[in-house]
Amino acid sequence: DGGITQSPKYLFRKEGQNVTLSCEQNLNHDAMYWYRQDPGQGLRLIYYSQIVNDFQKGDIAEGYSVSREKKESFPLTVTSAQKNPTAFYLCASSIPGTVGSSGGYTFGSGTRLTVV
Amino acid sequence: SQKIEQNSEALNIQEGKTATLTCNYTNYSPAYLQWYRQDPGRGPVFLLLIRENEKEKRKERLKVTFDTTLKQSLFHITASQPADSATYLCALDTGGGFKTIFGAGTRLFVKA
Repeated sequence: DGGITQSPKYLFRKEGQNVTLSCEQNLNHDAMYWYRQDPGQGLRLIYYSQIVNDFQKGDIAEGYSVSREKKESFPLTVTSAQKNPTAFYLCASSIPGTVGSSGGYTFGSGTRLTVV
Repeated sequence: SQKIEQNSEALNIQEGKTATLTCNYTNYSPAYLQWYRQDPGRGPVFLLLIRENEKEKRKERLKVTFDTTLKQSLFHITASQPADSATYLCALDTGGGFKTIFGAGTRLFVKA
């Protein structure tokens, strides 16, 4: 089945540590996204990528980094510079230019990151 | 700034009734609006999209309306079932499909 796989499902980070969240898709989508979800708030865009080897900052990129070396993969690194990283992280994908026509983003199941 | 609001209070209804969820927005004129379902600990799942020139969209027991004058979308689930219990998110296009604003969602509980 086509979809997006995020791993791990739960991740614990110590103070001052960098951690990397994995996102893999087999939908052949060019565009991929990372969102952060906090209780009582809407999803906030961290980074997005329209094509391999290209990515753009979203609204809350500080303290995060990404890479897009393969179409299928868009890993997110939460660096020690992110002071409040505890949240639910969601990866999504779409076919560029079709969100408003065929509709919608496809999301993974998320990674819950907790600082310990 | 652009703002999107959904009722933060949970909606409790009896099985078989129609659930109506509201999404209000300000300071923008989106080309389209989306609705998603999210279960606890899971990612959102796309349900419906409605464009600015469409007043209403239906899919099985779901109906979405879009009033660009009121800057409001209503999401209806008819003949609701306990399995419809989830959080429902609305999302606005802000141009190009890359900058979508999501509401915080409304939690729906359907009691048997």
